[in-house]
Amino acid sequence: DVKVTQSSRYLVKRTGEKVFLECVQDMDHENMFWYRQDPGLGLRLIYFSYDVKMKEKGDIPEGYSVSREKKERFSLILESASTNQTSMYLCASSLGDRVISYGYTFGSGTRLTVV
Amino acid sequence: QKEVEQNSGPLSVPEGAIASLNCTYSDRGSQSFFWYRQYSGKSPELIMSIYSNGDKEDGRFTAQLNKASQYVSLLIRDSQPSDSATYLCAVMLVPGKSTFGDGTTLTVKP
Repeated sequence: DVKVTQSSRYLVKRTGEKVFLECVQDMDHENMFWYRQDPGLGLRLIYFSYDVKMKEKGDIPEGYSVSREKKERFSLILESASTNQTSMYLCASSLGDRVISYGYTFGSGTRLTVV
Repeated sequence: QKEVEQNSGPLSVPEGAIASLNCTYSDRGSQSFFWYRQYSGKSPELIMSIYSNGDKEDGRFTAQLNKASQYVSLLIRDSQPSDSATYLCAVMLVPGKSTFGDGTTLTVKP
């Protein structure tokens, strides 16, 4: 089974802190994604990456950055955490095929609280 | 208009009934369609993918796609209490990148 592992299940950080959320997948997937999920707002795409060193902005990239130095690892960085970034953060990965689009495998999520 | 819209729910069905979950999408160029199940407090899990018009069956689940009507649905036959979850419809326009609906919460009552 494909495994997508997020480093923390729960995090509490202070306003203004720099926060790193780590995600690692073990099945050689090309595509990796960061979403946040909030009640009433659904899943919203923050950033995604189709390959090492590549990154693309999603729908809500403001206040976030990402890093993909290795194929298996995709990190989400909150440059200066704010209370409106309190959310459930979900990492996902998928095969990158030019013919078929595959669905995602999600990690178990990180519930981040910014106080 | 949202890119992907689902029945707001919640949807409640008795055990053994057929549950019908619906999803419409706005972009005619969308090519790939997915259904995910998300149990309370858990992350989404892919349960069905469909790429061409018609029906696709997998066990008790059937996905239906009608590109002309920009409509995709999920039928769950012989619903079980363990099917109680939020079901997310996802549509892929750009290869690899999905847009999700807000989800429909299904409760199956014993």
